[in-house]
Amino acid sequence: ETGVTQTPRHLVMGMTNKKSLKCEQHLGHNAMYWYKQSAKKPLELMFVYNFKEQTENNSVPSRFSPECPNSSHLFLHLHTLQPEDSALYLCASSQWESGGDNEQFFGPGTRLTVL
Amino acid sequence: RKEVEQDPGPFNVPEGATVAFNCTYSNSASQSFFWYRQDCRKEPKLLMSVYSSGNEDGRFTAQLNRASQYISLLIRDSKLSDSATYLCVLNTGRRALTFGSGTRLQVQP
Repeated sequence: ETGVTQTPRHLVMGMTNKKSLKCEQHLGHNAMYWYKQSAKKPLELMFVYNFKEQTENNSVPSRFSPECPNSSHLFLHLHTLQPEDSALYLCASSQWESGGDNEQFFGPGTRLTVL
Repeated sequence: RKEVEQDPGPFNVPEGATVAFNCTYSNSASQSFFWYRQDCRKEPKLLMSVYSSGNEDGRFTAQLNRASQYISLLIRDSKLSDSATYLCVLNTGRRALTFGSGTRLQVQP
């Protein structure tokens, strides 16, 4: 596989369910990101991991819990979500270098619906 | 004020037309600038970086005006395949990018 992959591509869950989104990058990058894209809104950054360490949490509610076991894998654990959390969740990776442009490569996203 | 502002469109243009999008940003500390393209129900992909001196990639020309804090994208000889949402993106030095809401382009035959 090449690039950035995400599973599942679609997910429907109830408010009491617990589920996880998975992201894997095959680009040898050292940074990974979770973004949320709601209808007619810009992409919102959720979390940033650099060398497996979380470097940014953009005021995300605790019902979203990220996990980065190594530099190639990123998870987003979901529990007791709300209907307004329904959105497209995009994972991205980049090669972060100090002072350099960091083009980000995106996965295809997981379209989440919370009932 | 939004960090990145774009006209949402849609811009409906005939094939072969020239179309231009502008984007303004509020953070003067912004360091890097990009245009990404996002097709319907797909992920964003980098179209081109934007440099102060202006840069061109085939039919696409990007310009940056730091003094006025705006970025532009010009598309010449529009193709049907150019139909997409164009995202203005910048890096303020954080380890992440800041995205605009996008401008939708529809090229018609």
